[in-house]
Amino acid sequence: GAGVSQSPRYKVAKRGQDVALRCDPISGHVSLFWYQQALGQGPEFLTYFQNEAQLDKSGLPSDRFFAERPEGSVSTLKIQRTQQEDSAVYLCASSLGLAGGQETQYFGPGTRLLVL
Amino acid sequence: QQQVKQSPQSLIVQKGGISIINCAYENTAFDYFPWYQQFPGKGPALLIAIRPDVSEKKEGRFTISFNKSAKQFSLHIMDSQPGDSATYFCAASMRAAGNKLTFGGGTRVLVKP
Repeated sequence: GAGVSQSPRYKVAKRGQDVALRCDPISGHVSLFWYQQALGQGPEFLTYFQNEAQLDKSGLPSDRFFAERPEGSVSTLKIQRTQQEDSAVYLCASSLGLAGGQETQYFGPGTRLLVL
Repeated sequence: QQQVKQSPQSLIVQKGGISIINCAYENTAFDYFPWYQQFPGKGPALLIAIRPDVSEKKEGRFTISFNKSAKQFSLHIMDSQPGDSATYFCAASMRAAGNKLTFGGGTRVLVKP
């Protein structure tokens, strides 16, 4: 079956531009996570949704980062006024979201963002 | 604050050998410890996971050893194959925090034929 998909796969932006990154989770998955992975590093948590509710945004590095999931399925991560330090791979993951459970998070291939 | 520390950063092993990767965590509230495998250009994929009430878990050639008192856990890859060449990440999460994953820094494994 279809896994988590992300688009675009690559994005080059000039410093100061706004970008929008899309995540299509596995159908029926309630929980959706965004992570940022710098080159040669482990992924770092950005934000988490359960259905359309954004329950944790403690990892967003600045108020230039904004995420939404208005209908509880597709999610968009928006970065305003991009800076060079925003260059990274942005990973989306989804899980079933069973109450009280610890479940496998399934990751998409990521969007590689390069800010020039 | 790096809550999950992983070592080594890289390792080279001969085909058929054993790869061992170690992780240490600080937060005793973590209650789930997965290992992920990542190939270049791909997202991480779950390899094997363990809960702190179990000291060892084995799935095929992959084994997690868990030492709760030392706050350490490790991944052993037996009979390493060239196809195992990838970057491996340990991680930790807690249900109380929505199961968000805290990752280690990664170990790049190269298996030589």
